[in-house]
Amino acid sequence: EVQLLQSGGGLVQPGGSLRLSCVASGFTFSTYAMTWVRQAPGKGLEWVTALSGDGVHVYYADSVKGRFTFSRDNSKNTLYLQMNSLRAEDTAVYYCAKNLRDGAATYEYWGQGTLVTVCS
Amino acid sequence: EIVLTQSPGTLSLSPGERATLSCRASQTVSSSYLAWYQQRPGQAPRFLIYGATSRATGVPDRFSGSGSGTDFTLTISRLEPEDFAVYYCQQYGSSPITFGQGTRLEIK
Repeated sequence: EVQLLQSGGGLVQPGGSLRLSCVASGFTFSTYAMTWVRQAPGKGLEWVTALSGDGVHVYYADSVKGRFTFSRDNSKNTLYLQMNSLRAEDTAVYYCAKNLRDGAATYEYWGQGTLVTVCS
Repeated sequence: EIVLTQSPGTLSLSPGERATLSCRASQTVSSSYLAWYQQRPGQAPRFLIYGATSRATGVPDRFSGSGSGTDFTLTISRLEPEDFAVYYCQQYGSSPITFGQGTRLEIK
């Protein structure tokens, strides 16, 4: 059974930093691209960043480029989202998600979500 | 960037009825790389449809997807109580990945 277990998140002041983690199980982790999607309170879904299975190719939404860093440790089946220079508009529930397959950036499994609140 | 516009914003129906949800793209979605998700309150999205028409594993056959180019549809043939939720479309044929704003399916 595929599971994505998220941790991290919480309340942070504007300009601060936070790191999210996502531990995966139930599939061959290193062979799948992974993604973070966020959802502001009461709003829709927004793609944030994606990372290839080997950790070489990474892509960011313009809204987070230069501030967020997506990485993975395939020996630990773990994803990391380092978020720096946080802004009020980054407040959202963040979901990690497993891509369906290579070349198909659609998401068949999702983590439970973790809330990030940026507020002074 | 491809903008996805979903309609209607809210759809009020009764259990047993048929639901038709629309997703229109501002540009052609290449290779019909269009997916649908269901999200119940307080839960993560659930993967329903990919490639415009293919059902994900475990998704009941009352859910079906159709369309190509710029116009796509999610149909739920006979609504069950657990189907009342918010539905999102997503295109993954062009960068950046984009989602529609969602259609809320509510009990009439």
